[in-house]
Amino acid sequence: QVHLQESGPGLVKPSETLSLTCAVSGGPLSNNHWWGWVRQPPGKGLEWIGDIYHSGSTNYNPSLKSRVIISVDKSKKYFSLKLTSVTAADTAVYYCAREGGATRLDVWGQGTTVTVSS
Amino acid sequence: SYVLTQPPSVSVAPGQTARITCEGNNIGRKSVHWYQQKPGQAPVLVVYDDSDRPSGIPERFSGSNSGNTATLTISRVEAGDEADYYCQVWDGDSDQAIFGGGTKLTVL
Repeated sequence: QVHLQESGPGLVKPSETLSLTCAVSGGPLSNNHWWGWVRQPPGKGLEWIGDIYHSGSTNYNPSLKSRVIISVDKSKKYFSLKLTSVTAADTAVYYCAREGGATRLDVWGQGTTVTVSS
Repeated sequence: SYVLTQPPSVSVAPGQTARITCEGNNIGRKSVHWYQQKPGQAPVLVVYDDSDRPSGIPERFSGSNSGNTATLTISRVEAGDEADYYCQVWDGDSDQAIFGGGTKLTVL
């Protein structure tokens, strides 16, 4: 059974880069799935950030595209999120997830809280 | 970009049926997925491809999708069903996943 685990700093300063990693265990990263990131600001709804295929192909939320980079390391079985020039509006719980058919998010990590503050 | 609209809240008594709607332009042409999120927890997929259930999800959870409205139906509602529910589709025009704003289900 596939398990996902996010990791990274819980506090990031404004204007700096948020970096998170999602470790994939219990199954291959390089099968027919896309792997994505979703965030949830405090008290608000879910926002899809983007996704990546094991080949390195990506899709990004147009509203974040200029600041987001998602990458994958199949040999180490993880994929990563970088969000540049962060502001307080980027404070959220960040989830990584596996995307199944028709991009349903069928496996989720537990989420990691990132606060943007000086 | 594509917009999904959900009612902010739905209330239902235990044992009754809850219906949560998700409206979008010609949503009936898309595959709709539904997630349940309880406080402090990650979302859980409860219905995918309009009406299919992942293994482990009770038969009480069902879905439909036609025209401009998709609906998540929860039969014989239990106290443990109290949660936020989100619909989601893939927008092929902008190549992104879209979530509805979420609906808080309250079990009276």
